[in-house]
Amino acid sequence: GAGVSQSPSNKVTEKGKDVELRCDPISGHTALYWYRQSLGQGLEFLIYFQGNSAPDKSGLPSDRFSAERTGGSVSTLTIQRTQQEDSAVYLCASSLGVYQPQHFGDGTRLSIL
Amino acid sequence: EDQVTQSPEALRLQEGESSSLNCSYTVSGLRGLFWYRQDPGKGPEFLFTLYSAGEEKEKERLKATLTKKESFLHITAPKPEDSATYLCAVQANYGGSQGNLIFGKGTKLSVKP
Repeated sequence: GAGVSQSPSNKVTEKGKDVELRCDPISGHTALYWYRQSLGQGLEFLIYFQGNSAPDKSGLPSDRFSAERTGGSVSTLTIQRTQQEDSAVYLCASSLGVYQPQHFGDGTRLSIL
Repeated sequence: EDQVTQSPEALRLQEGESSSLNCSYTVSGLRGLFWYRQDPGKGPEFLFTLYSAGEEKEKERLKATLTKKESFLHITAPKPEDSATYLCAVQANYGGSQGNLIFGKGTKLSVKP
């Protein structure tokens, strides 16, 4: 079956602009995660959705970052007023349940000019 | 603080030269330890999950083992196609809803023919 799909694959934008990143999880997966991978850094957890529960936002680095998940499926990560330090690869993962292996998409490479 | 340390940062092997990658972790309560493979420009690809000390998993030329403080990824007679960055991650057992993975920075493996 289809894996986790992310779009766009690349995004270049100017400092101060807002961006939206999209994630389509594997069908039937109830858990969805967003991570950020910066050059030379490990993957950094951002936010986690499990079913209809309130999301775990403990990893979001600032209030410029937000995410939503509609209908228990597609998720959108929004970054407002982008800064150069937001440049990174944003990865989405999904899993059958909270303690099941997470399967990743290929990410969105975000570059802030 | 929960953390994961991988060593070495980079490893160069000749084809057929077996070796091991190390993943040391500190976590309040381990729910699972995960190994992933990441190719350039791609998202992490799931390899193994280990849940308890003494557990071993194998897949082709790869074998993962787990102790109470570390995990090893043994690569037997590697081939050039095994070249990738190998990521280790832990999932803590907080007893709540958190499911995020805590990643190490990875070991970049290069296998020369």
